[in-house]
Amino acid sequence: KAGVTQTPRYLIKTRGQQVTLSCSPISGHRSVSWYQQTPGQGLQFLFEYFSETQRNKGNFPGRFSGRQFSNSRSEMNVSTLELGDSALYLCASSLGTHNTDTQYFGPGTRLTVL
Amino acid sequence: ELKVEQNPLFLSMQEGKNYTIYCNYSTTSDRLYWYRQDPGKSLESLFVLLSNGAVKQEGRLMASLDTKARLSTLHITAAVHDLSATYFCAGAKIYGGATNKLIFGTGTLLAVQP
Repeated sequence: KAGVTQTPRYLIKTRGQQVTLSCSPISGHRSVSWYQQTPGQGLQFLFEYFSETQRNKGNFPGRFSGRQFSNSRSEMNVSTLELGDSALYLCASSLGTHNTDTQYFGPGTRLTVL
Repeated sequence: ELKVEQNPLFLSMQEGKNYTIYCNYSTTSDRLYWYRQDPGKSLESLFVLLSNGAVKQEGRLMASLDTKARLSTLHITAAVHDLSATYFCAGAKIYGGATNKLIFGTGTLLAVQP
C-alpha cells in the first residue's frame, strides 16, 4: 500500500512569511506526528494528531501549529518564519491505537527560510 | 524528561568488520526504536524493542535492549558498503495507550569503507 506522502517536497520562503505543509498518512492510520530535523538540534517532536485532535505537543513556540482533517490528512503551519525554521520537516503516521505502534515516516519537506 | 544519547556520533569501519552502536536513555522508556536514514532521505524503521532482554535481528543488524541498564545496542556484523547511513535510536513515551512521541538520539553516521 502507498506510504506516507508529504507536499511540497521543497519550499523556499523569506523571513516573516508563513508556510503550510501537508501530510497524507498511510491508509487506515489515524495518528499523524510531525518532527523537525536540523543539523544543530537533530530530530525534535512537534506535535501529534489523532482523530482530528492534538494529543501531544513538543516544546515549540506557538508559531508552529497544526490540524488534522476527518480523512486523517494533516497540515502544519508556521507563521512569521525565522531563519532558524529552516529544516527538514517530517511527518509520521501510525495506527495510533496500539502501544507497539511503529511510526512510518514520509519523505519530508525541506524548508529554506531566506 | 526522557533523554536519549547515542555513541559514537561517527563510525568509519571497513567492510567485513563488526561494530556496535550504543544508545543510552535517561529515564524509563516505554519502547525503544531503531531507524535508518540515507542521505537526503526519510527515516526507515528497523526495529522496535518492547521489553527487557528483547533481541531482534535482520540481516547483518541485531538490536538488543537492557531496560535495567537503560541501554540498547545495534550490532553490525561483517559490515558491507550498503549499510552506510545514519542510524537513530529513539525512546518513546506512551500516551493514551499508543506510542506517539519519539525522543531521538543524535544519530550515528556509519561509513563503511571497502
